[in-house]
Amino acid sequence: DQQVKQNSPSLSVQEGRISILNCDYTNSMFDYFLWYKKYPAEGPTFLISISSIKDKNEDGRFTVFLNKSAKHLSLHIVPSQPGDSAVYFCAARAYNNDMRFGAGTRLTVKP
Amino acid sequence: NAGVTQTPKFQVLKTGQSMTLQCAQDMNHEYMSWYRQDPGMGLRLIHYSVGAGITDQGEVPNGYNVSRSTTEDFPLRLLSAAPSQTSVYFCASTRDRVSYEQYFGPGTRLTVT
Repeated sequence: DQQVKQNSPSLSVQEGRISILNCDYTNSMFDYFLWYKKYPAEGPTFLISISSIKDKNEDGRFTVFLNKSAKHLSLHIVPSQPGDSAVYFCAARAYNNDMRFGAGTRLTVKP
Repeated sequence: NAGVTQTPKFQVLKTGQSMTLQCAQDMNHEYMSWYRQDPGMGLRLIHYSVGAGITDQGEVPNGYNVSRSTTEDFPLRLLSAAPSQTSVYFCASTRDRVSYEQYFGPGTRLTVT
């Protein structure tokens, strides 16, 4: 029962262009959504989050969009840099502390 | 601050053996949790704790025990290891329930043969 889905296992983008990573969820009880970035042999690191009462949150080159009616969120990275190459996990948290993660999308930014 | 530390980094067990994965944080965070990461599955919550003396089950708790006797430490015990428990295990901490942002340790890669 995967409540959070990242349907694209990988994404390749040219340096300087926009990267768009997508995430879908099924549980309407999720109240907070987060994106994490993970490099090999390291733990995930927090990137950006959004509350379910908002539809956009921006932090520098990173913007997260939330479409509650479609149960969809996306992470935009503009401009993409080679150092952004990593696995990105979408996560969602319910009121009862239940945190669910997607399977991840491997982003490769080519110089 | 060391953040979240995990030991060991790597471990190989035989089926039926027991062991404890250690996790410690020095940020005085209330909330700690354990995840396992399997290929194509993302991270799945095993157990979590909202404070010393309080623990609860996550999505995949079977085969694992936890305790939280201090704010700093949150060990994960495998009582009788099975090949299905071969995975990478991550410990994480959060300042409190409101914060949401989790700080992860570097992970423990466990192989059960």
